[in-house]
Amino acid sequence: QVQLVESGGGMVQPERSLRLSCAATGFVFSRYGMHWVRQAPGKGLEWVAVISFDGTTKYYSGSVRGRFTVSRDNSENTLFLQMSSLRPEDTAVYYCAKDWGVPAAFPDYWGQGTLVTVSS
Amino acid sequence: QLVLTQSPSASASLGASVKLTCTLNSRHSDYAIAWHQQQPEKGPRFLMKVNSDGSHIKGDGIPDRFSGSSSGAERYLIISSLQSDDEADYYCQTWDTGIHVFGSGTKVTVL
Repeated sequence: QVQLVESGGGMVQPERSLRLSCAATGFVFSRYGMHWVRQAPGKGLEWVAVISFDGTTKYYSGSVRGRFTVSRDNSENTLFLQMSSLRPEDTAVYYCAKDWGVPAAFPDYWGQGTLVTVSS
Repeated sequence: QLVLTQSPSASASLGASVKLTCTLNSRHSDYAIAWHQQQPEKGPRFLMKVNSDGSHIKGDGIPDRFSGSSSGAERYLIISSLQSDDEADYYCQTWDTGIHVFGSGTKVTVL
């Protein structure tokens, strides 16, 4: 079955960087777009970024554009989120999610999330 | 601007039904949406995609108690025979090229 396992979260100081990973199993990773979605403590879901199945097309929310970079390694079935210039408002649980199809539309499988805390 | 509106809360008794509403802004009233469930302290789970004509496609393993429908710019999630573990937050979500948007979520309480 589809499994998505995020890692790389932790506590980081403002303006520093952090890279999240998401290991995917149970489906042909290279055929599907992938999302990052985050959830601040006590808040709702916020879409962060999406990458196409082949990594050639990437889109970002306005709140992270220019600071975050999504990428993937289809040979390793792994999704990444490089986060730079982190701010306290980036504190959230970050979920990776598999997209339904092509072009990217909506997540149909989600990971359990990894917590990122930005604080001095 | 792509916007989804949800009521913050809903409640119904154990065994009863509840109908959640997600409203698209008028410019995007014919868009499809997806419903996701998030139980307390868990990651979200995809429930179904609901099209503008009311047809819907469910995720793997989603019980028949969950169904979807549409009317105009409104998209619905109907949960029948409510169970205690249906107590959760429910988010609708839609998309366009380069943008994906979530509603603010509806918290369902099972009385």
